[in-house]
Amino acid sequence: DQQVKQNSPSLSVQEGRISILNCDYTNSMFDYFLWYKKYPAEGPTFLISISSIKDKNEDGRFTVFLNKSAKHLSLHIVPSQPGDSAVYFCAASAKLTSGSRLTFGEGTQLTVNP
Amino acid sequence: SAVISQKPSRDICQRGTSLTIQCQVDSQVTMMFWYRQQPGQSLTLIATANQGSEATYESGFVIDKFPISRPNLTFSTLTVSNMSPEDSSIYLCSVERTGVGTDTQYFGPGTRLTVL
Repeated sequence: DQQVKQNSPSLSVQEGRISILNCDYTNSMFDYFLWYKKYPAEGPTFLISISSIKDKNEDGRFTVFLNKSAKHLSLHIVPSQPGDSAVYFCAASAKLTSGSRLTFGEGTQLTVNP
Repeated sequence: SAVISQKPSRDICQRGTSLTIQCQVDSQVTMMFWYRQQPGQSLTLIATANQGSEATYESGFVIDKFPISRPNLTFSTLTVSNMSPEDSSIYLCSVERTGVGTDTQYFGPGTRLTVL
């Protein structure tokens, strides 16, 4: 049972344009969501997070949107840069019921073309 | 954030042997986690390791196969026992940093294990 799903295995965008990465979840107990970026041969790097009490969180070029009714979140990167090319994972936790355990999506490979 | 190191960074092992992976953090943390990323797949939590208590294992993972030690607040080890080729994965440790309204896990660089 895949509770966190990233349906797009890959995404290609032009430098300077917006990248939108999507994530869907099924567990209504999830109350905290995170996005990570992963380069080959490195561990995941934390990007941005959002609590279920919010619907938007912004940090520089990165914005995460949460639609609880649709059980959907998205990460917007604008403007996209070639250095953003990496695999992006969304993750979720149900802190009130399951503590800090993270459930990850399958990842989306983002390629930003110069 | 947190500075996390893992040893070894990679290894190639023979089936039936065991490998112990070390995770060192630059400051004291309460909760440490061990994940596995099999080829082409996502990260899966193996267990949660708190200092002074037994590790808590996720469904599908057992202590006999993945014994964990947590001797202090900056260090943990994960052993992959009696290895088979199916254990070939990247093994990652992570720690949780608690902030105002945020609890974030930070990951080490990973240990790439190949079992022949």
